[in-house]
Amino acid sequence: GAVVSQHPSRVICKSGTSVKIECRSLDFQATTMFWYRQFPKQSLMLMATSNEGSKATYEQGVEKDKFLINHASLTLSTLTVTSAHPEDSSFYICSGRGLAGDQETQYFGPGTRLLVL
Amino acid sequence: QKEVEQDPGPLSVPEGAIVSLNCTYSNSAFQYFMWYRQYSRKGPELLMYTYSSGNKEDGRFTAQVDKSSKYISLFIRDSQPSDSATYLCAMSANTGGFKTIFGAGTRLFVKA
Repeated sequence: GAVVSQHPSRVICKSGTSVKIECRSLDFQATTMFWYRQFPKQSLMLMATSNEGSKATYEQGVEKDKFLINHASLTLSTLTVTSAHPEDSSFYICSGRGLAGDQETQYFGPGTRLLVL
Repeated sequence: QKEVEQDPGPLSVPEGAIVSLNCTYSNSAFQYFMWYRQYSRKGPELLMYTYSSGNKEDGRFTAQVDKSSKYISLFIRDSQPSDSATYLCAMSANTGGFKTIFGAGTRLFVKA
Protein backbone atom coordinates (compact mmCIF):
# COMPACT_ATOMS: atom_id res chain seq x y z
CA GLY A 1 0.00 0.00 0.00
CA ALA A 2 0.87 3.63 -0.34
CA VAL A 3 2.77 5.42 2.42
CA VAL A 4 1.85 8.69 4.06
CA SER A 5 4.05 10.24 6.71
CA GLN A 6 3.24 12.87 9.31
CA HIS A 7 5.52 15.04 11.36
CA PRO A 8 5.68 15.49 14.25
CA SER A 9 4.11 12.37 15.72
CA ARG A 10 3.52 14.11 19.02
CA VAL A 11 3.63 17.72 20.10
CA ILE A 12 3.02 19.49 23.37
CA CYS A 13 2.60 23.25 23.27
CA LYS A 14 1.49 26.12 25.42
CA SER A 15 -1.90 27.71 25.00
CA GLY A 16 -1.79 30.56 22.49
CA THR A 17 1.02 29.19 20.35
CA SER A 18 0.72 27.88 16.80
CA VAL A 19 1.57 24.36 15.74
CA LYS A 20 2.32 23.13 12.24
CA ILE A 21 1.79 19.52 11.21
CA GLU A 22 3.25 18.20 7.96
CA CYS A 23 1.77 15.44 5.87
CA ARG A 24 3.69 13.85 3.00
CA SER A 25 2.74 11.18 0.50
CA LEU A 26 5.97 9.25 0.02
CA ASP A 27 5.36 6.97 -2.95
CA PHE A 28 2.38 8.44 -4.74
CA GLN A 29 1.04 11.80 -5.75
CA ALA A 30 -1.91 12.85 -3.65
CA THR A 31 -4.25 14.89 -5.80
CA THR A 32 -6.40 15.46 -2.76
CA MET A 33 -5.49 15.49 0.90
CA PHE A 34 -7.83 15.27 3.85
CA TRP A 35 -7.36 16.32 7.44
CA TYR A 36 -9.21 14.58 10.23
CA ARG A 37 -9.31 14.84 13.97
CA GLN A 38 -10.15 11.99 16.24
CA PHE A 39 -11.11 12.10 19.90
CA PRO A 40 -10.52 9.06 22.13
CA LYS A 41 -12.72 6.10 21.24
CA GLN A 42 -14.45 8.05 18.51
CA SER A 43 -14.36 7.84 14.76
CA LEU A 44 -12.63 10.15 12.35
CA MET A 45 -14.10 13.61 11.90
CA LEU A 46 -13.28 15.23 8.59
CA MET A 47 -12.04 18.77 9.07
CA ALA A 48 -11.14 19.83 5.55
CA THR A 49 -10.36 18.69 2.05
CA SER A 50 -7.67 20.25 -0.06
CA ASN A 51 -6.62 19.88 -3.66
CA GLU A 52 -3.11 20.76 -4.72
CA GLY A 53 -2.82 24.44 -5.52
CA SER A 54 -6.36 25.29 -4.38
CA LYS A 55 -7.91 26.62 -1.21
CA ALA A 56 -9.10 24.01 1.22
CA THR A 57 -12.78 23.22 1.65
CA TYR A 58 -13.69 23.15 5.33
CA GLU A 59 -16.43 21.10 6.93
CA GLN A 60 -19.21 22.83 8.76
CA GLY A 61 -18.13 24.00 12.18
CA VAL A 62 -14.40 23.99 11.42
CA GLU A 63 -12.84 27.45 11.63
CA LYS A 64 -10.73 28.05 8.55
CA ASP A 65 -8.83 30.89 10.22
CA LYS A 66 -7.87 28.65 13.10
CA PHE A 67 -6.93 25.57 11.11
CA LEU A 68 -4.83 26.78 8.20
CA ILE A 69 -4.25 24.25 5.47
CA ASN A 70 -1.72 24.55 2.70
CA HIS A 71 -1.42 21.99 -0.09
CA ALA A 72 1.55 23.34 -1.98
CA SER A 73 2.47 20.23 -3.92
CA LEU A 74 1.17 16.79 -4.82
CA THR A 75 3.18 15.28 -1.98
CA LEU A 76 2.94 17.83 0.83
CA SER A 77 0.13 19.35 2.85
CA THR A 78 0.40 21.23 6.12
CA LEU A 79 -2.09 21.94 8.87
CA THR A 80 -1.37 24.84 11.18
CA VAL A 81 -3.35 25.12 14.38
CA THR A 82 -3.20 28.81 15.21
CA SER A 83 -3.49 30.16 18.75
CA ALA A 84 -4.00 26.66 20.08
CA HIS A 85 -6.14 26.12 23.15
CA PRO A 86 -6.57 23.07 25.39
CA GLU A 87 -9.79 22.11 23.58
CA ASP A 88 -7.73 21.71 20.40
CA SER A 89 -5.91 18.79 22.01
CA SER A 90 -6.67 15.81 19.81
CA PHE A 91 -5.28 13.26 17.40
CA TYR A 92 -4.88 14.80 13.95
CA ILE A 93 -4.63 12.47 10.98
CA CYS A 94 -4.01 13.36 7.37
CA SER A 95 -4.92 11.24 4.40
CA GLY A 96 -3.87 11.37 0.81
CA ARG A 97 -6.06 10.32 -2.06
CA GLY A 98 -4.17 9.05 -4.98
CA LEU A 99 -3.53 6.26 -7.38
CA ALA A 100 -1.38 3.56 -5.86
CA GLY A 101 -1.06 0.68 -8.29
CA ASP A 102 -4.45 0.28 -9.85
CA GLN A 103 -6.47 1.49 -6.91
CA GLU A 104 -7.49 5.03 -6.15
CA THR A 105 -8.32 5.36 -2.52
CA GLN A 106 -7.33 7.08 0.69
CA TYR A 107 -4.18 6.26 2.60
CA PHE A 108 -3.67 7.59 6.07
CA GLY A 109 -0.71 8.98 7.91
CA PRO A 110 0.21 7.70 11.36
CA GLY A 111 -1.35 10.71 13.07
CA THR A 112 -0.10 13.55 15.25
CA ARG A 113 -1.07 13.75 18.86
CA LEU A 114 -1.43 17.36 19.97
CA LEU A 115 -1.58 18.33 23.60
CA VAL A 116 -2.15 21.98 24.42
CA LEU A 117 -1.41 22.94 28.00
CA GLN B 1 -30.17 8.39 10.65
CA LYS B 2 -26.41 8.27 10.11
CA GLU B 3 -25.19 7.55 6.61
CA VAL B 4 -23.10 4.68 7.92
CA GLU B 5 -23.97 2.59 10.96
CA GLN B 6 -21.42 0.42 12.70
CA ASP B 7 -21.68 -1.25 16.08
CA PRO B 8 -18.85 0.14 18.25
CA GLY B 9 -18.59 -3.07 20.27
CA PRO B 10 -16.40 -4.01 22.00
CA LEU B 11 -16.32 -7.46 20.48
CA SER B 12 -14.31 -10.06 22.37
CA VAL B 13 -13.48 -13.45 20.83
CA PRO B 14 -11.07 -16.30 21.62
CA GLU B 15 -8.00 -16.83 19.48
CA GLY B 16 -8.79 -18.85 16.37
CA ALA B 17 -12.40 -17.74 16.14
CA ILE B 18 -14.01 -16.37 12.98
CA VAL B 19 -14.84 -12.70 13.42
CA SER B 20 -17.66 -10.98 11.58
CA LEU B 21 -17.75 -7.20 11.42
CA ASN B 22 -20.58 -5.35 9.71
CA CYS B 23 -21.80 -1.98 8.56
CA THR B 24 -25.04 -0.79 7.08
CA TYR B 25 -25.51 2.33 5.05
CA SER B 26 -28.31 4.42 3.62
CA ASN B 27 -26.83 6.13 0.55
CA SER B 28 -27.35 3.94 -2.51
CA ALA B 29 -24.81 6.04 -4.42
CA PHE B 30 -21.90 4.51 -2.52
CA GLN B 31 -19.78 2.41 -4.84
CA TYR B 32 -16.43 2.13 -3.06
CA PHE B 33 -16.20 0.22 0.18
CA MET B 34 -13.18 0.02 2.43
CA TRP B 35 -12.16 -1.52 5.69
CA TYR B 36 -9.46 0.08 7.80
CA ARG B 37 -7.70 -1.28 10.87
CA GLN B 38 -6.59 1.18 13.50
CA TYR B 39 -4.35 0.27 16.40
CA SER B 40 -4.42 2.45 19.48
CA ARG B 41 -2.75 5.83 18.94
CA LYS B 42 -2.01 5.06 15.27
CA GLY B 43 -3.48 6.16 11.97
CA PRO B 44 -5.90 3.86 10.13
CA GLU B 45 -4.38 1.25 7.82
CA LEU B 46 -6.23 0.20 4.68
CA LEU B 47 -7.10 -3.50 4.86
CA MET B 48 -9.55 -4.15 2.08
CA TYR B 49 -10.96 -2.20 -0.83
CA THR B 50 -13.98 -3.29 -2.85
CA TYR B 51 -15.73 -1.68 -5.76
CA SER B 52 -19.48 -2.33 -6.05
CA SER B 53 -20.95 -5.66 -4.95
CA GLY B 54 -19.24 -8.95 -4.42
CA ASN B 55 -16.60 -10.65 -2.34
CA LYS B 56 -12.90 -10.05 -2.04
CA GLU B 57 -10.44 -12.24 -0.20
CA ASP B 58 -6.95 -11.42 1.02
CA GLY B 59 -5.31 -13.97 3.27
CA ARG B 60 -7.39 -14.37 6.41
CA PHE B 61 -9.62 -11.43 5.49
CA THR B 62 -12.75 -11.52 3.35
CA ALA B 63 -14.81 -8.46 2.50
CA GLN B 64 -18.39 -8.78 1.28
CA VAL B 65 -20.61 -6.11 -0.18
CA ASP B 66 -24.34 -6.54 -0.66
CA LYS B 67 -25.56 -3.37 -2.32
CA SER B 68 -29.15 -4.59 -2.51
CA SER B 69 -29.25 -4.76 1.29
CA LYS B 70 -26.84 -1.84 1.80
CA TYR B 71 -24.75 -4.09 3.99
CA ILE B 72 -21.04 -4.79 4.08
CA SER B 73 -19.04 -7.27 6.10
CA LEU B 74 -15.48 -8.10 6.99
CA PHE B 75 -14.64 -11.63 8.05
CA ILE B 76 -11.43 -12.53 9.82
CA ARG B 77 -10.56 -16.22 9.90
CA ASP B 78 -8.28 -17.81 12.49
CA SER B 79 -8.22 -14.59 14.49
CA GLN B 80 -5.03 -13.73 16.33
CA PRO B 81 -4.35 -11.49 19.34
CA SER B 82 -2.51 -9.19 16.93
CA ASP B 83 -5.86 -8.60 15.19
CA SER B 84 -7.03 -6.74 18.29
CA ALA B 85 -7.74 -3.24 17.03
CA THR B 86 -10.55 -0.96 15.96
CA TYR B 87 -11.97 -1.74 12.53
CA LEU B 88 -13.51 1.10 10.57
CA CYS B 89 -15.71 0.64 7.57
CA ALA B 90 -15.70 3.42 5.02
CA MET B 91 -17.46 4.12 1.78
CA SER B 92 -17.72 6.73 -0.90
CA ALA B 93 -19.50 7.55 -4.10
CA ASN B 94 -17.67 8.64 -7.19
CA THR B 95 -19.46 11.94 -7.11
CA GLY B 96 -19.29 15.11 -5.11
CA GLY B 97 -15.58 15.19 -4.65
CA PHE B 98 -15.01 11.63 -3.50
CA LYS B 99 -16.00 12.28 0.13
CA THR B 100 -15.46 9.21 2.25
CA ILE B 101 -17.86 8.46 5.06
CA PHE B 102 -16.57 6.42 7.98
CA GLY B 103 -18.35 4.20 10.42
CA ALA B 104 -17.79 4.69 14.14
CA GLY B 105 -15.44 1.71 14.28
CA THR B 106 -15.77 -1.62 16.07
CA ARG B 107 -13.28 -2.42 18.81
CA LEU B 108 -12.14 -6.04 18.57
CA PHE B 109 -10.31 -7.96 21.27
CA VAL B 110 -8.89 -11.39 20.46
CA LYS B 111 -8.01 -13.27 23.61
CA ALA B 112 -5.04 -15.65 23.65
